[in-house]
Amino acid sequence: AQKVTQAQTEISVVEKEDVTLDCVYETRDTTYYLFWYKQPPSGELVFLIRRNSFDEQNEISGRYSWNFQKSTSSFNFTITASQVVDSAVYFCALTTNSGGYQKVTFGIGTKLQVIP
Amino acid sequence: DAGVTQSPTHLIKTRGQQVTLRCSPKSGHDTVSWYQQALGQGPQFIFQYYEEEERQRGNFPDRFSGHQFPNYSSELNVNALLLGDSALYLCASSLAEGQGAYEQYFGPGTRLTVT
Repeated sequence: AQKVTQAQTEISVVEKEDVTLDCVYETRDTTYYLFWYKQPPSGELVFLIRRNSFDEQNEISGRYSWNFQKSTSSFNFTITASQVVDSAVYFCALTTNSGGYQKVTFGIGTKLQVIP
Repeated sequence: DAGVTQSPTHLIKTRGQQVTLRCSPKSGHDTVSWYQQALGQGPQFIFQYYEEEERQRGNFPDRFSGHQFPNYSSELNVNALLLGDSALYLCASSLAEGQGAYEQYFGPGTRLTVT
């Protein structure tokens, strides 16, 4: 069985503050992929990042950064100097490939509100 | 480069009716997955199609069925609609293999309301 837990259901920050969204995952597979998606009010899920289980390097893309730690089964997402446009629901997802079949599990999402 | 498209954007149906939702994958993608997203929840995996066959299925009843066409586009059919089927239905496309495999790109979704 696999599971993704996003313990923070809603977060509010004031513009320009930094915010970290937590993601904890469970899987018995040794090969897997982790994702973050952004879902603005329009509803479309926007791909942000993919990480495979063998690559624990942290990644930075502009104001976004991701911290992958296999030891704690976490894949946290930090937004630096948050902006109002960052307001959205953010989903963490886990994909495994067992016997040629992909299994995708999403977390419940974290709703981020950035207040001007 | 066209992204994932879905039609229709909104749909209202009555309990017991049947519905068909459509999806065209991102150019170059060969795999289509369907998800149901209830209000305030994360997307729940329905099934995935590759080479015109259902290759993986989530925990959804047989009322949910699908099809993939030779041009990789896909349909999701739901029979005997229930009120609980009201949700946003998302289609995602990806590559089965190679660089970028498993990166799913989502369409804007179809909002289904069952009354």
